[in-house]
Amino acid sequence: NAGVTQTPKFQVLKTGQSMTLQCAQDMNHEYMSWYRQDPGMGLRLIHYSVGAGITDQGEVPNGYNVSRSTTEDFPLRLLSAAPSQTSVYFCASSYHLRGEKLFFGSGTQLSVL
Amino acid sequence: SQQGEEDPQALSIQEGENATMNCSYKTSINNLQWYRQNSGRGLVHLILIRSNEREKHSGRLRVTLDTSKKSSSLLITASRAADTASYFCATDAELGGSRLTFGEGTQLTVNP
Repeated sequence: NAGVTQTPKFQVLKTGQSMTLQCAQDMNHEYMSWYRQDPGMGLRLIHYSVGAGITDQGEVPNGYNVSRSTTEDFPLRLLSAAPSQTSVYFCASSYHLRGEKLFFGSGTQLSVL
Repeated sequence: SQQGEEDPQALSIQEGENATMNCSYKTSINNLQWYRQNSGRGLVHLILIRSNEREKHSGRLRVTLDTSKKSSSLLITASRAADTASYFCATDAELGGSRLTFGEGTQLTVNP
């Protein structure tokens, strides 16, 4: 049982490049989400999904896209990277929609030059 | 906007001492959760307390919730060097939709 797996662990991009951060969970969780963590800002919710085919925006969605074609996978796409997207990104999942504890991946450290 | 705010931002204590961290929030909640993050790692869930509960225990952890003051505290008793980490509170707001809102965290350092 791997839990929540994120890849890559580290990534350096140039401004304007695109990339996809991968997230997979093997716990059959309905709810999956992406957070970014910046110094002094805590964790801020980017996008979330309550099941396959259903996604919604969080607090800071601009510049990011998501899709949920399967229960297991929830990739985060940066369409045109900007230096302001330099951050640590965490994927998290839980069994159900509301109020459940979150299981976090180990994070992706992204630097945009 | 941050729903939960932790206090203090940083705390340094000696092994064996107790550590208390506080969290204040702004709106009515369904539950409040505490998470721990070791340096360079993801967050790990510690404890969840529901809005109709006042206190919960888990091992050396004790969490209290005062909904009238919109605040919670996390007490770690008999701290160990291995407790060194950042601690975050997260709130599930009644009107918050499908999301947990995290505070900025308290950095706890336990000196051997």
